[in-house]
Amino acid sequence: GENVEQHPSTLSVQEGDSAVIKCTYSDSASNYFPWYKQELGKGPQLIIDIRSNVGEKKDQRIAVTLNKTAKHFSLHITETQPEDSAVYFCAAPPYNQGGKLIFGQGTELSVKP
Amino acid sequence: GAGVSQTPSNKVTEKGKYVELRCDPISGHTALYWYRQSLGQGPEFLIYFQGTGAADDSGLPNDRFFAVRPEGSVSTLKIQRTERGDSAVYLCASSQRLAGGNEQFFGPGTRLTVL
Repeated sequence: GENVEQHPSTLSVQEGDSAVIKCTYSDSASNYFPWYKQELGKGPQLIIDIRSNVGEKKDQRIAVTLNKTAKHFSLHITETQPEDSAVYFCAAPPYNQGGKLIFGQGTELSVKP
Repeated sequence: GAGVSQTPSNKVTEKGKYVELRCDPISGHTALYWYRQSLGQGPEFLIYFQGTGAADDSGLPNDRFFAVRPEGSVSTLKIQRTERGDSAVYLCASSQRLAGGNEQFFGPGTRLTVL
């Protein structure tokens, strides 16, 4: 089955710096890769996703890159702000299993003003 | 529009008791998913529904856990004879259809504490 590994587990950056979080997956047939942001006491919020037919997607300060050959994908946040502080999760669905998501272990991002 | 809602937001119960957790998905979403999140971990899949039927319940940890979705909208997760190890945040998500590559939108979760 699908296995998703995420690192680092914690990341501290200075406001204005960039942050990068990386994930690897095991199911080569997986074709959808979402990223979620979770603030304390709240449910995960979808912030960006990428499908396997593209290698990069960008939305303002957030971008995701996908390397299907190496089976890894990354979240890039530029010009970080204190409100970016949260736990970020990557996920991937096992192929042909109804879209259920297998999540990484999470990265706690702290942006210091 | 309204997002996924879950009730109660918090539930404290005693070991051995029965609990029900409710999820109201986004209107029109046919797929509904339940996940469980322990402290410091990512959500773990429990079960999902397409319409009224459970399409995959392989994530339910044992037969004390059961979920229903009788009219294809609201879902209830039921836990019998609760144990302290059941303490976690139970998350519900919905998506427009049951397929890989469809955005899942999560509710705020129900924090279950078993004393």
